[in-house]
Amino acid sequence: AQRVTQPEKLLSVFKGAPVELKCNYSYSGSPELFWYVQYSRQRLQLLLRHISRESIKGFTADLNKGETSFHLKKPFAQEEDSAMYYCAQSTGRRALTFGSGTRLQVQP
Amino acid sequence: ETGVTQSPTHLIKTRGQQVTLRCSSQSGHNTVSWYQQALGQGPQFIFQYYREEENGRGNFPPRFSGLQFPNYSSELNVNALELDDSALYLCASSPGGGRDTEAFFGQGTRLTVV
Repeated sequence: AQRVTQPEKLLSVFKGAPVELKCNYSYSGSPELFWYVQYSRQRLQLLLRHISRESIKGFTADLNKGETSFHLKKPFAQEEDSAMYYCAQSTGRRALTFGSGTRLQVQP
Repeated sequence: ETGVTQSPTHLIKTRGQQVTLRCSSQSGHNTVSWYQQALGQGPQFIFQYYREEENGRGNFPPRFSGLQFPNYSSELNVNALELDDSALYLCASSPGGGRDTEAFFGQGTRLTVV
């Protein structure tokens, strides 16, 4: 079965510090990977997807097939980045397998 | 353009009862997926509907069933409720497209089974 692992439940950093949220996936083919974010009292929404190779709100994520990882990074964290982050993998036909999520707390 | 809406927002049911949750998909979206999110966990895929047909199913028993209507809105039905069914149920819609298509989520229905 396909699996997405986010090893950290909570990541706490200070404003301006670099951030890396870890994600590992299990899939032997060509994965479609995403990062979804949920800000306080808001619905789950797409942050970025690997196929777009774009930077959203300063976040980037690189697919490393050798390590089966898709870590989310930002060089300088902002307080407004505090949220719940979920890594997800498409399991075909637009269904998603999610990790258990990492709560990012950015302290002033 | 309206987003994905779910009703009701909260619900309390007794073990053994049946429940129906509803979802209106975003305008122009023909695919609806349902997810169960237990406390402290990520969403788990229940099933997906595409143009009124079930188009994929996760590891959930048959007492979880669904429907999609011609306007692409959807229902999730759960029979013989168990205490472990207590969770946040999320609906997501997406337009036609490939595996990299973005899913747009509703705000969820919080189901409590007592």
